[in-house]
Amino acid sequence: QVQVVQSGAEVKKPGASVKVSCKASGYSFTSYYMHWVRQAPGQGLEWMGLINPSGGSTSYAQKFQGRVTMTRDTSTSTVYMELSSLRSEDTAVFYCATSGGVPYSYFDYWGQGTLVTVSS
Amino acid sequence: QSALTQPASVSGSPGQSITISCTGTSSDVGDYNSVSWYQQHPGKAPKLMIYDVIIRPSGVSSRFSGSKSGNTASLTISGLQAEDEADYYCSSCTSTLVLFGGGTKLTVL
Repeated sequence: QVQVVQSGAEVKKPGASVKVSCKASGYSFTSYYMHWVRQAPGQGLEWMGLINPSGGSTSYAQKFQGRVTMTRDTSTSTVYMELSSLRSEDTAVFYCATSGGVPYSYFDYWGQGTLVTVSS
Repeated sequence: QSALTQPASVSGSPGQSITISCTGTSSDVGDYNSVSWYQQHPGKAPKLMIYDVIIRPSGVSSRFSGSKSGNTASLTISGLQAEDEADYYCSSCTSTLVLFGGGTKLTVL
């Protein structure tokens, strides 16, 4: 069965970077786009961007352009999301989620979420 | 583009039906049939409930249904049950981005 497992919680200082991983299994890794979604405490969902695991191409939401980098490792079926220049407002749960056969589509499988806390 | 607009909260009694609206623009909800709905219980990841406006994934109760008219999509839950109490988010995709609504807290009285 499809599984998407994320790395554990992180605590970072302002100005630092964080790299969250998302390991997929149970399907052809290169066949489905992977997205990242942010959820601040008590807030709604916010789309950050996507990566095509097949070729590695990416597309980022304008808000995160210049601060986010999404990469993938096909040998381990893992995608990564790195967010730099962290500030307290970046404290949130970050989710990875697969989309269907097209890049901009619904999210059918979600990771369990990774809490990133930014605090001095 | 701005987030989609949802009511902050809705409520209903067990057995009743409720509808949650999701309003976008002619550039997103009104122009694409890529509206999806997610249910999120506290501390859990979102769960896909409806996609492509009206399609229910395998395993999702038939009590959940979706529709769209113009720039507004809707999620209807019939025969409300206690376990339906959760946050619900709509999403609309264009050819270049994904938008979410602000979320609606459903309370089952």
